[in-house]
Amino acid sequence: QLMLTQSPSASASLGAPVKLTCTLSSGHRSNGIAWHQQQPGKGPRYLMKVNSDGSHSKGDGIPDRFSGSSSGAERYLTISSLQSDDEGDYYCQAWATGIEVFGGGTKLTVL
Amino acid sequence: EVQLVVSGGGLVQPGGSLRLSCSASRFTFNDYAVTWVRQAPGKGLEWVSAIDSTGSDTYYADSVKGRFTISRDNPKNTVYLQTSSLRADDTAVYYCAKLDGSGSAIEYWGQGTLVIVSS
Repeated sequence: QLMLTQSPSASASLGAPVKLTCTLSSGHRSNGIAWHQQQPGKGPRYLMKVNSDGSHSKGDGIPDRFSGSSSGAERYLTISSLQSDDEGDYYCQAWATGIEVFGGGTKLTVL
Repeated sequence: EVQLVVSGGGLVQPGGSLRLSCSASRFTFNDYAVTWVRQAPGKGLEWVSAIDSTGSDTYYADSVKGRFTISRDNPKNTVYLQTSSLRADDTAVYYCAKLDGSGSAIEYWGQGTLVIVSS
């Protein structure tokens, strides 16, 4: 069964890098995923799609400080220099025929 | 830029129905699949339903199967989510979203509409 696992929370200082992880369930490690950001009180925004080979394609207007990568069943979102408006919830999303799945989300706090 | 305008939410009694609409613009609507995602208050994102570009294939989460129906009217650039037999745990903000060309990643989100199921 396709499932995604995310840590509930993460934090880092302003200007520091942070790496969020999304882990695919057994049998689905070749799946790509998408990352979405949800700032407090707002709707979600698409950030990027990350493929199993680590290649990624970003959404319109997504800053260069956001990047994606992969290793095995793990998909990563890296923010190279954390800004105050990066605070919020980050969700990964995966898909299979007839179904879409979201991870539980990671709440990112900027210290 | 792609626009997805969602409407139709509101307060409804348990067992009632609502039809949500998602009106799309600024892209070739009949080339893309569309999906509905909801978010209960204080909770994470939950996928609800999806429809392919032609409307011939539809998909549902187990939690809404048999109660919700997704459809689309391509000439009107609109996707609908007909909800029925609503329960308190259907209370959520409902978002529609456009899938990418491969029908996999969500690449644009609408603004959401709040559905409250309460007596």
